[in-house]
Amino acid sequence: AQTVTQSQPEMSVQEAETVTLSCTYDTSESDYYLFWYKQPPSRQMILVIRQEAYKQQNATENRFSVNFQKAAKSFSLKISDSQLGDAAMYFCASTGGATNKLIFGTGTLLAVQP
Amino acid sequence: GAVVSQHPSWVICKSGTSVKIECRSLDFQATTMFWYRQFPKQSLMLMATSNEGSKATYEQGVEKDKFLINHASLTLSTLTVTSAHPEDSSFYICSARPTDREETQYFGPGTRLLVL
Repeated sequence: AQTVTQSQPEMSVQEAETVTLSCTYDTSESDYYLFWYKQPPSRQMILVIRQEAYKQQNATENRFSVNFQKAAKSFSLKISDSQLGDAAMYFCASTGGATNKLIFGTGTLLAVQP
Repeated sequence: GAVVSQHPSWVICKSGTSVKIECRSLDFQATTMFWYRQFPKQSLMLMATSNEGSKATYEQGVEKDKFLINHASLTLSTLTVTSAHPEDSSFYICSARPTDREETQYFGPGTRLLVL
């Protein structure tokens, strides 16, 4: 069974600074994908970034990048030049196997201080 | 691209009535859609997987007769909460998986249900 663990219930960062959110996962699948979703107060789930497990290169989307350590089963999210609009709940998730269900972590609530 | 809508965005109903929630993929086709439930300050809990043209697959502990799912087309799935009770009050979110990009799910804005 797949599991996703986020060990930081809450994080805080100063505006314009960099913050890293941690995520570890466990899976028996050889082919899987990893995601970070953002859920602002509106509760709309927004896809931030995704990583194919077979790719060694870390995914990057503008100010968002990941540090994917496959052997360690770690998938952290780095937010650079943090903005007030980045304040949200961030969920790490993985998918894989025949059903391709998304397995979510418990989330990290990120606060951005002006 | 990859926009998913949900309707209604919020609904208040009396106990014992049924409520239908629609989930539409607006600019892509989705053979598979998912229905989640989210309690305050918690993660998303998968309720069921909706497959176009076939029966939904429910997660353990989810009553299929309570939460009826219909996926009649490649762009529409509906969730009907039958004989709703106050404990069914929650935030329901759907997601859709593009037919040509099956590893990624795009989410609707959610529906807040309050059962009085």
